[in-house]
Amino acid sequence: EIVLTQSPGTLSLSPGERATLSCRASQSVSSSYLAWYQQKPGQAPRLLIYGASSRATGIPDRFSGSGSGTDFTLTISRLEPEDFAVYYCQQYGSSPFMYTFGQGTKLEIK
Amino acid sequence: QLQLQESGPGLVKPSETLSLTCTVSGGSISSSSYYWGWIRQPPGKGLEWIGSIYYSGSTYYNPSLKSRVTISVDTSKNQFSLKLSSVTAADTAVYYCARHAPPYGFDPWGQGTLVTVSS
Repeated sequence: EIVLTQSPGTLSLSPGERATLSCRASQSVSSSYLAWYQQKPGQAPRLLIYGASSRATGIPDRFSGSGSGTDFTLTISRLEPEDFAVYYCQQYGSSPFMYTFGQGTKLEIK
Repeated sequence: QLQLQESGPGLVKPSETLSLTCTVSGGSISSSSYYWGWIRQPPGKGLEWIGSIYYSGSTYYNPSLKSRVTISVDTSKNQFSLKLSSVTAADTAVYYCARHAPPYGFDPWGQGTLVTVSS
């Protein structure tokens, strides 16, 4: 089973700053199989990025994803007040059919 | 637009079976492009994939839960369901249903329903 480790656990930044969130896999992951989600308190997660770098429908272009192999990154270019939330990475494994999530990174207002 | 809504008891006794249903509206659960999944989140913790089903009835389960999980689909009602047997307090969580198309992500999600396991 592939384990995803996200860092840092908590990131404290101010609006307007750039956020860089990391997701490291215990084994190589196909880029097509890596996604990122945003979750705000009391809400369901929202898909931000799929295929490591493709933005989901309606996601602002300040969100971008990159990476390959075992190291993936979610970047928020200029933080807006509504971006402070918890972010999860997720990978899909085809053999066996399996989804795993990272433990999350909390992005908080400094 | 596609919407998903979870329903079921909010309180389940230890050792009993948790049963939830996800009703899909605004689209057909029989679409050949998509799978339908269950994900849970214990209070204050992260996300755990429970399992998924294809409209044909093919199922895929998280190995850590496989012995206790059954997911089924009712295409006539545009619903799919989750049963988790022999529950303990560790199964207390918000349970979400969501659509997905492997290898891509889960989108959209239902609003989630809190299930508490307690006597």
